[in-house]
Amino acid sequence: RKEVEQDPGPFNVPEGATVAFNCTYSNSASQSFFWYRQDCRKEPKLLMSVYSSGNEDGRFTAQLNRASQYISLLIRDSKLSDSATYLCVVNEGYGQNFVFGPGTRLSVLP
Amino acid sequence: NAGVTQTPKFRVLKTGQSMTLLCAQDMNHEYMYWYRQDPGMGLRLIHYSVGEGTTAKGEVPDGYNVSRLKKQNFLLGLESAAPSQTSVYFCASSYPPQAGGMDTQYFGPGTRLTVL
Repeated sequence: RKEVEQDPGPFNVPEGATVAFNCTYSNSASQSFFWYRQDCRKEPKLLMSVYSSGNEDGRFTAQLNRASQYISLLIRDSKLSDSATYLCVVNEGYGQNFVFGPGTRLSVLP
Repeated sequence: NAGVTQTPKFRVLKTGQSMTLLCAQDMNHEYMYWYRQDPGMGLRLIHYSVGEGTTAKGEVPDGYNVSRLKKQNFLLGLESAAPSQTSVYFCASSYPPQAGGMDTQYFGPGTRLTVL
């Protein structure tokens, strides 16, 4: 079983649509959670950290459900520039063990 | 402030050749990491370092060696390259994770390596 799983994708949505990504993790002791964005042939960049209470940054909302070991990312009013691969990342403890999901590719279409 | 830089950006090797990838960061981060990314798979940790002079194995360390002689540099070596090591290699750095803290990794632009 993979430690971090994500929706397989790709997601093809029209501009202005709302899209949701899901992620599950297997290690219940995981400590911190992130969504990264990776553009084609570029390095991953932090989109947002995910807090237990949920957090919002403009059009982006992240939620964490520790009981279900589930993380989500909601993008509202999607833009062409949102087209990228979205990586779910889990830090499994007090150390260096960041585990990356395989990513979900999003294409926002005009 | 350059962040995390990697050299070279591209490299083609023949099977059995050796090479060293260099990662440098100017953010005074304690932790540094080397990952590889292959199509359809998440980033996989090769080796990491929690401070100058210390290194440790990650998920896929075989065929690689690393050194952290200076805090700002983290080198990844391939002693005898194999076609299975064809991949994109990313270096990252971060502050030490703290209990309940929100640690962030910053990535370099990557090195695209092809082993023929």
